[in-house]
Amino acid sequence: DAKTTQPPSMDCAEGRAANLPCNHSTISGNEYVYWYRQIHSQGPQYIIHGLKNNETNEMASLIITEDRKSSTLILPHATLRDTAVYYCIVRVWFSGGYNKLIFGAGTRLAVHP
Amino acid sequence: ETGVTQTPRHLVMGMTNKKSLKCEQHLGHNAMYWYKQSAKKPLELMFVYNFKEQTENNSVPSRFSPECPNSSHLFLHLHTLQPEDSALYLCASSQDLGELETQYFGPGTRLLVL
Repeated sequence: DAKTTQPPSMDCAEGRAANLPCNHSTISGNEYVYWYRQIHSQGPQYIIHGLKNNETNEMASLIITEDRKSSTLILPHATLRDTAVYYCIVRVWFSGGYNKLIFGAGTRLAVHP
Repeated sequence: ETGVTQTPRHLVMGMTNKKSLKCEQHLGHNAMYWYKQSAKKPLELMFVYNFKEQTENNSVPSRFSPECPNSSHLFLHLHTLQPEDSALYLCASSQDLGELETQYFGPGTRLLVL
């Protein structure tokens, strides 16, 4: 399984962009990068995913390097409610016919006033 | 609100008790999952169900027994648990098991085994 490496914690000022990096140097060609976040005492929440093109939705943008060995999740205008643990996940398709989300330790993002 | 509900939200049980966790999804999804999140450890996939059929048992001890009576409901029956089983148990669902399916998680049941 491809593994991901994320910094354990980051800080961001409210209203500024939060840029969360992720390394996935062993990713293979058919594996997608997914981002989820988990606010304290809640279940993980899907944010965005991508294969090799940059992606944007109402929550965030995902920038994937050309060699696909790393990516950055961008929250353009962080708010206090964005304080959470952010997980970068390489999604693996198993021949048994199902996906497996392999969660790591994630990055604990603290947004402060 | 993700459309996935779990009850109870908190549970305290003794090692000799039998209890059940319930998950319900209101999204019309066909696949459902149980995950375990222990303190200071990543989420671990426990079980996968697709159209009520179990497709994955991730080496989970038999004291955890899942049940999926229909595509909207998933149970986790617990018996003779150990204190190390104390954790946040999360349910998730997705439309299918397709390669691009997004999983939607419930709020979890926080279990404490005494």
